[in-house]
Amino acid sequence: AQTVTQSQPEMSVQEAETVTLSCTYDTSESDYYLFWYKQPPSRQMILVIRQEAYKQQNATENRFSVNFQKAAKSFSLKISDSQLGDAAMYFCAYDWGATNKLIFGTGTLLAVQP
Amino acid sequence: GAVVSQHPSRVICKSGTSVKIECRSLDFQATTMFWYRQFPKQSLMLMATSNEGSKATYEQGVEKDKFLINHASLTLSTLTVTSAHPEDSSFYICSVPGTGDLWTDTQYFGPGTRLTVL
Repeated sequence: AQTVTQSQPEMSVQEAETVTLSCTYDTSESDYYLFWYKQPPSRQMILVIRQEAYKQQNATENRFSVNFQKAAKSFSLKISDSQLGDAAMYFCAYDWGATNKLIFGTGTLLAVQP
Repeated sequence: GAVVSQHPSRVICKSGTSVKIECRSLDFQATTMFWYRQFPKQSLMLMATSNEGSKATYEQGVEKDKFLINHASLTLSTLTVTSAHPEDSSFYICSVPGTGDLWTDTQYFGPGTRLTVL
């Protein structure tokens, strides 16, 4: 069965600094999708970034980028120039493309210090 | 991104009553929608897949008779918690797969419904 692990329950970063959130997953599939979702206090799930497993190039979205290591089954999120609005719970998620069903990690609560 | 609405945003009910939660896809039609459950300070767990025109499919361990799902139209799915008990108190979130200009392999989430059963 597929699993997603986030080993950092909480992280803290200074405003304008860079922080990396870790995620590992376990799957026997070769074609799948990985996501980072942000859940602020409002609890609305917001898509941060996505990565197709067949693409070697790491995805980037403005200040957000990933380090996708397929062989190591690792999918970390880097947030550059952290802003106060980045403070939220961040969930790593896996989707075996055929089902559209998401398996979530346990989340990392990110605090941004002014 | 896609706009997905849920109603109500929060509901408080007495034990033994039934509660209906609506999920609407406002931007596009959806033959499939998903229902998740999130306990406080925990992750999201997939409960079931709502299928337009056919029965919902439930994840292992989810009671289909307690959590009734009806995909009434291509833009509406409802989750009814029957004979609710305090242990059903949770945050319920629906999601819709993207289509059209949106990534079809990506889920777009509603704002969630907080259910409290007294």
